[in-house]
Amino acid sequence: NAGVTQTPKFRVLKTGQSMTLLCAQDMNHEYMYWYRQDPGMGLRLIHYSVGEGTTAKGEVPDGYNVSRLKKQNFLLGLESAAPSQTSVYFCASSYSSPGTDTQYFGPGTRLTVL
Amino acid sequence: SQKIEQNSEALNIQEGKTATLTCNYTNYSPAYLQWYRQDPGRGPVFLLLIRENEKEKRKERLKVTFDTTLKQSLFHITASQPADSATYLCAPAGGSQGNLIFGKGTKLSVKP
Repeated sequence: NAGVTQTPKFRVLKTGQSMTLLCAQDMNHEYMYWYRQDPGMGLRLIHYSVGEGTTAKGEVPDGYNVSRLKKQNFLLGLESAAPSQTSVYFCASSYSSPGTDTQYFGPGTRLTVL
Repeated sequence: SQKIEQNSEALNIQEGKTATLTCNYTNYSPAYLQWYRQDPGRGPVFLLLIRENEKEKRKERLKVTFDTTLKQSLFHITASQPADSATYLCAPAGGSQGNLIFGKGTKLSVKP
């Protein structure tokens, strides 16, 4: 089992460019999450999904879109990147509801927006 | 708004001692609380989950307590080792759909 994988590991964008971060899990988990982690801020939930074809907003959704067309994949899109989106992005998944079950995290994507 | 505080940004202790990390939460009452470990450049790794009706949970050298009256969780590592050096994140469940709300973490350094 690979667990949770994220692509790419690093990326540098210019302001206004777009990109998609890919998260894949091979554990047949229903729930998937996108977080961002900034110095001094802790992990903050961007969007999450409770199953294939569903998405919902988390704490900091503005400037991001997500899609979950396949159960194993959760995509995070930035349509027009801004320097404030410079961060480390983590994807996670869990078998059942977030509070009651272990979340498995990917290795992260370090994004810099110039 | 819901708030999580891990009272120390950094904690330095000597090998063999017990490390105690504190997590306080305000403005809500989580039914579950989780602790994670995060090493530099890596994603968090789950350690323990404790429910509101459990006062204490143990796993090997780790112990977590959950005091719903004080709105506080304590995380203990006994007989600490340099390999325990990492950042430890507290995450009570309480956001929408019961999502986890993560604290900023406490960076633990265990000196030999």
